[in-house]
Amino acid sequence: DAGITQSPRYKITETGRQVTLMCHQTWSHSYMFWYRQDLGHGLRLIYYSAAADITDKGEVPDGYVVSRSKTENFPLTLESATRSQTSVYFCASSELGGTPQHFGDGTRLSIL
Amino acid sequence: GQQVMQIPQYQHVQEGEDFTTYCNSSTTLSNIQWYKQRPGGHPVFLIQLVKSGEVKKQKRLTFQFGEAKKNSSLHITATQTTDVGTYFCAGFSGTYKYIFGTGTRLKVLA
Repeated sequence: DAGITQSPRYKITETGRQVTLMCHQTWSHSYMFWYRQDLGHGLRLIYYSAAADITDKGEVPDGYVVSRSKTENFPLTLESATRSQTSVYFCASSELGGTPQHFGDGTRLSIL
Repeated sequence: GQQVMQIPQYQHVQEGEDFTTYCNSSTTLSNIQWYKQRPGGHPVFLIQLVKSGEVKKQKRLTFQFGEAKKNSSLHITATQTTDVGTYFCAGFSGTYKYIFGTGTRLKVLA
């Protein structure tokens, strides 16, 4: 089935470790986004991508790295995880800029 | 930078009562979207408003976009338990990214 999938759904790791969250979409949407969701802050944009090999920072990019070598994949890497990065991470895609976003089921990440 | 404020943060209503959430942007928006997130779920797109003063309806839900394109509202008539969740607005100002409001968490008491 077409859609947007995130993996893993749950992840527990330790401070200082590198963690990669995966996002894959089958719609061939141009735009992809990474958000984090924390109580009291809603959804905050970490990074977004307008097309393969084009990425840009959002509101809270520090401590995160993204790449987009293929249109369908948009992995998010925490290079050295910190406790403040404990959150629920959502990946989303949209056909064009300014069109409705379709969200994945999220990854719940806990950093001990 | 651009900010999108949403009020109230929480709302508890008795089933059958009406509910309204408001969204205010610090800058003029090109369009605004509304999303619903059920507990434990992911945000799901509800609607997009583009024109100044636009009003759209989806069954018991009424969405409005202000004349100045800086504010919006979502009104639910006669709430049901299926309306439980968090409602987010997301403002788009043309920079290829949306700024989400903090959300309004709706609880419906049967």
